[in-house]
Amino acid sequence: GESVGLHLPTLSVQEGDNSIINCAYSNSASDYFIWYKQESGKGPQFIIDIRSNMDKRQGQRVTVLLNKTVKHLSLQIAATQPGDSAVYFCAEGMDTGRRALTFGSGTRLQVQP
Amino acid sequence: KAGVTQTPRYLIKTRGQQVTLSCSPISGHRSVSWYQQTPGQGLQFLFEYFSETQRNKGNFPGRFSGRQFSNSRSEMNVSTLELGDSALYLCASSPGGVFQETQYFGPGTRLLVL
Repeated sequence: GESVGLHLPTLSVQEGDNSIINCAYSNSASDYFIWYKQESGKGPQFIIDIRSNMDKRQGQRVTVLLNKTVKHLSLQIAATQPGDSAVYFCAEGMDTGRRALTFGSGTRLQVQP
Repeated sequence: KAGVTQTPRYLIKTRGQQVTLSCSPISGHRSVSWYQQTPGQGLQFLFEYFSETQRNKGNFPGRFSGRQFSNSRSEMNVSTLELGDSALYLCASSPGGVFQETQYFGPGTRLLVL
């Protein structure tokens, strides 16, 4: 498959374990944050988002935590499955000014059966 | 609803040529953004179009341009291709409202410049 990134940090977990992927974002003015999952040969797929007026948001098997004090975002995946293996990107954006998303460099998640 | 579609999926060009990539957004979405993805630089924003107007622009040279049609479909063009333009070009669409919204990505066009 196509390589998204050659030297990405890698998180290796056992199937059924919980995974935590971390991200440090750069702009203290960012007020919108998203986690994307990208599988080989595909475009990024939306997982979950959170606005800066929240510090936690839960979805199906996923939770995003936002710590604005230290500009840190994390994605927790419960009961990780082999299908969760992919590269995960955090992205930040702003409601005002330039509306482009700024992406982190990504983390590769490998789920061992 | 059908997702974001991009054509072609793969393209091989030589240095100096130009290329045009196409993106059809999700039905009803009026904002289309383009990103370049490379192993070295990651995902970088190129530009965003809304209602046939470029609303935002990234830090890429003028060789990279785009346009949007009245049906919200968008094209991006790269002229005078360089080896470093080899990348996955991703298009993302969103409704285009006032606030930052979720952007939904297409599968990308893989461009190889020889």
